[in-house]
Amino acid sequence: GAVVSQHPSWVICKSGTSVKIECRSLDFQATTMFWYRQFPKQSLMLMATSNEGSKATYEQGVEKDKFLINHASLTLSTLTVTSAHPEDSSFYICSASKGVVNYGYTFGSGTRLTVV
Amino acid sequence: DAKTTQPPSMDCAEGRAANLPCNHSTISGNEYVYWYRQIHSQGPQYIIHGLKNNETNEMASLIITEDRKSSTLILPHATLRDTAVYYCIVRENTGGFKTIFGAGTRLFVKA
Repeated sequence: GAVVSQHPSWVICKSGTSVKIECRSLDFQATTMFWYRQFPKQSLMLMATSNEGSKATYEQGVEKDKFLINHASLTLSTLTVTSAHPEDSSFYICSASKGVVNYGYTFGSGTRLTVV
Repeated sequence: DAKTTQPPSMDCAEGRAANLPCNHSTISGNEYVYWYRQIHSQGPQYIIHGLKNNETNEMASLIITEDRKSSTLILPHATLRDTAVYYCIVRENTGGFKTIFGAGTRLFVKA
């Protein structure tokens, strides 16, 4: 159990366009999901906490108007990169928890975004 | 900020035990030690976690010092597929608490 599906696994988009990334908990409900960004040879950087039914909480330095997060249901959170630029090219990863007492967050397989 | 310190890289011979250390001297009483690993271009994979007792599962063993200021992840018989970046993380064990990643240790398992 505790499978998190992330889609798409990779995407190439033109500069100025928007891209939506989906994160789904397949076999459990997740009131909280997290979004990370990872640049080559660097560690994961937490971007925001996605809360079902309420606004996301963004980490310092992350533009909430650029990285739109929607957690409309207990099994789905989406991250939309708006007006993407080449510097937004990165590996985006989501994670979700089964509940209060957990055995570690389960991570999605990641989305490789390339903005050209 | 990440609350852990790990060596940036380590080598291990295939078939031998890989011992990955982690310092977490500021860990608080209600924080657990978690280990994840990330194989290139994939999402992190949960390995093991513990509070103060040593833990073992099918993947690894976790040894936590009595003062809880450091721990060691042990892969008993490393294989080439264990080559990855290993992250040691401290966090509370309840839902909603964010997981902050440090730099991790890049483990190279060599034939």
